[in-house]
Order: sequence, then C-alpha cells, then structure tokens
Amino acid sequence: EAQVTQNPRYLITVTGKKLTVTCSQNMNHEYMSWYRQDPGLGLRQIYYSMNVEVTDKGDVPEGYKVSRKEKRNFPLILESPSPNQTSLYFCASRLTGARYNSPLHFGNGTRLTVT
Amino acid sequence: DAKTTQPTSMDCAEGRAANLPCNHSTISGNEYVYWYRQIHSQGPQYIIHGLKNNETNEMASLIITEDRKSSTLILPHATLRDTAVYYCIVRVEDQGGKLIFGQGTELSVKP
Repeated sequence: EAQVTQNPRYLITVTGKKLTVTCSQNMNHEYMSWYRQDPGLGLRQIYYSMNVEVTDKGDVPEGYKVSRKEKRNFPLILESPSPNQTSLYFCASRLTGARYNSPLHFGNGTRLTVT
Repeated sequence: DAKTTQPTSMDCAEGRAANLPCNHSTISGNEYVYWYRQIHSQGPQYIIHGLKNNETNEMASLIITEDRKSSTLILPHATLRDTAVYYCIVRVEDQGGKLIFGQGTELSVKP
C-alpha cells in the first residue's frame, strides 16, 4: 500500500532531550516536507526537500533540523526540544518534475508533548 | 496567508449532496485548487484538485467557475463518515509548492 509512515505516533519528552521523528514513504516521491499543526494557526510548513541531499527552510524552521540522505526517508530532528514545540506534526510527500501538480500525501501524524 | 475563503461550518443531511464553496479571487493563471479533508487529528486526506475544468473522481466532484475565482466541492451522497474539516487550498510556487492551509469548513453530516 502506498503510504507515508511516521513514527512514533505519540511522544512525551522533557525539555532539552534530543529526539527524532522518522518519516518514510514508499512511493518514490522526490518532494517531502514537514508541517506542524497548532490550534488557531492551522498547518505550517517547517522544512521541505525537493530531492536527496536538498533541504530548505519552510515558514517555521527554528528549533528543527532535517536530513535527506535517502529518497524514501526524511527525519525531523529536535536537538533541544522546548515546550513551544508541543504540537501535532505531519510528514508529507509528492512527485515533482512533469507531475509537479500531483497531490501531497500526508502521514498520520506524530503528537509531541514537551514538558 | 491563505489565498482562499471558506465558510466556517456547514451541516448536511446523511444521503444528501454536500456542496462546499470556496472563494479564491486572487488565484493566478497556473495555480491549481486542491481539496483536502481532516478527520479529527488524522493526517489531511487528499480529495481532488483541478485547474480550470471540472473534475470528478470516486470521492467527489470539483466545479470551478469560468473566471476561476471560486469553486465548489460536491460530495454526492454524504455519509456520517464524511464529517470532517474540509480545506480548499491554492498551492503557491513558494517553498517548492507548499500548501497554505486556512481554517477550512467544518462539515457535520447528520442522520
């Protein structure tokens, strides 16, 4: 089944403890991105990647890192999480190139709580 | 900011068609309109997208006005499982083609 898989689904951690949220897609998509969703603010893009080894900042990149060493994986790294990063996170992917307008496919989300 | 405007909420009777409007008066000539929905806190689910022609798939139909300033998503026979927040999105060229999510329309399908 074609899908975007995020892990874990739920994560509770403490301030300053490094964590990684994994994202993997099996659709051979070039483009991948991370969004966070907060009440009243909607979904906002954190980082995106047009292809392997190419990553760029989105609208809210502060406090986050990403890497794209393989086409299928796009982990989100929080080096020193803070309470304001408590949120619902979504990974997404889509085709590019001639299929530029192909839809974005989202994972099921990771709910992160930082205390 | 989102380039679309949608009603905050709508109700629909089960089995009836749900017609969800969206205004996008500042849309550019090559920008597509996408519709997604989100059920509770699950990942947004893609429904349909279009440029200027009407589109139909197994989930819904998309009607785009000739001037492209507005569109309507039609769920032909709404079920209780269609209760969700529906987002109308014009994808911008910025950031590799990011989606700017507005507040969406909360559709409640009632028995």
